[in-house]
Amino acid sequence: AAGVIQSPRHLIKEKRETATLKCYPIPRHDTVYWYQQGPGQDPQFLISFYEKMQSDKGSIPDRFSAQQFSDYHSELNMSSLELGDSALYFCASSPTAGGPKETQYFGPGTRLLVL
Amino acid sequence: AQKITQTQPGMFVQEKEAVTLDCTYDTSDQSYGLFWYKQPSSGEMIFLIYQGSYDEQNATEGRYSLNFQKARKSANLVISASQLGDSAMYFCAVWPLGSARQLTFGSGTQLTVLP
Repeated sequence: AAGVIQSPRHLIKEKRETATLKCYPIPRHDTVYWYQQGPGQDPQFLISFYEKMQSDKGSIPDRFSAQQFSDYHSELNMSSLELGDSALYFCASSPTAGGPKETQYFGPGTRLLVL
Repeated sequence: AQKITQTQPGMFVQEKEAVTLDCTYDTSDQSYGLFWYKQPSSGEMIFLIYQGSYDEQNATEGRYSLNFQKARKSANLVISASQLGDSAMYFCAVWPLGSARQLTFGSGTQLTVLP
């Protein structure tokens, strides 16, 4: 079965650079979520989109922005990167914005290292 | 706000034995979903099992079962017949209905299966 696709899988950037992470949800999933997992930590919710509109916002820094496109893929744009942004970034998708029975399926993650 | 507590940072189990990973949660929402995810050392986040707050029966998925005690707000994961490939970090998460569409994770339990 098709899974969530994330690219790139690994990314190395320097401080103050920008990065763009891409996420392609499972087909027919209309909701996308972004999470950040620091070393040794649990994933923290950043932002979500439903039908191309932002639906919820978590602890996403102002330096980060995201959007969902007409084909439902999503991009997380990160500017003025800091050392503390080094983390594993997950994208997840679910099939509907309805209740909690819609499981979030995670992609393999993008491992970002900021030097 | 939601909170998940996983009190076991690390657990060891002998191959072929059963193991229980503890999870307690705190949410003011009446309807919510509880999830367990597995994260191997490779980093991906794998969905294991889901329990709805109004489900009367405990969820089961193959060797995984969820011991759901709503009054105690606990959702322990039971893995039967442990295998070496079960060695991983396990996260419990809650997703409340009618609230922000995000998963809140616990701090995780690192399970090591011994041969």
